[in-house]
Amino acid sequence: DAGVIQSPRHEVTEMGQEVTLRCKPISGHDYLFWYRQTMMRGLELLIYFNNNVPIDDSGMPEDRFSAKMPNASFSTLKIQPSEPRDSAVYFCASSSLAYGYTFGSGTRLTVV
Amino acid sequence: GENVEQHPSTLSVQEGDSAVIKCTYSDSASNYFPWYKQELGKRPQLIIDIRSNVGEKKDQRIAVTLNKTAKHFSLHITETQPEDSAVYFCAASSSKGGGNKLTFGTGTQLKVEL
Repeated sequence: DAGVIQSPRHEVTEMGQEVTLRCKPISGHDYLFWYRQTMMRGLELLIYFNNNVPIDDSGMPEDRFSAKMPNASFSTLKIQPSEPRDSAVYFCASSSLAYGYTFGSGTRLTVV
Repeated sequence: GENVEQHPSTLSVQEGDSAVIKCTYSDSASNYFPWYKQELGKRPQLIIDIRSNVGEKKDQRIAVTLNKTAKHFSLHITETQPEDSAVYFCAASSSKGGGNKLTFGTGTQLKVEL
């Protein structure tokens, strides 16, 4: 298994633009998580899905953030419009109840 | 919800010494406690985990202890080496209600000096 795959690895965009981050979880994992990591706030859970259904989105900071999981092998996190304070590393992770999380390599987002 | 506190935030040790990182959690329903190591610019990676039905688990130079009564757990690294330098995160989760949400501590920057 190739692990959790995220794209792009790096994204630089201008303020106000739409940004879409993508994630492919490990096959067979029924949980998918989106985390944001910054120096100030550490690892923050934004939203997680179980069997493609959003379970807890209380960590999504604003309506500018949205996430979808149309099927078991794909999820997106969208920011529209983006702002400089959204600059961070965004991690996707997947798991099943029996195992710990496996993180993807992350997307480093810079909004200028 | 769950709250996980982690101490210290930074830890510097000499090569060969031991390092101990401590975490406390608030939700008595939490039953799974993993530890992650994150090297600079890389993803967090699971290094060891423990479930609430055991008090201690060891894997070579690393060990984790759990005190359910006091709601705290610790990571112990013995014979530290320069490659142990990284940020370490503790976490806690509960499978209660079918959930699997990990709450992370704020991280410990471990530096192993030659």
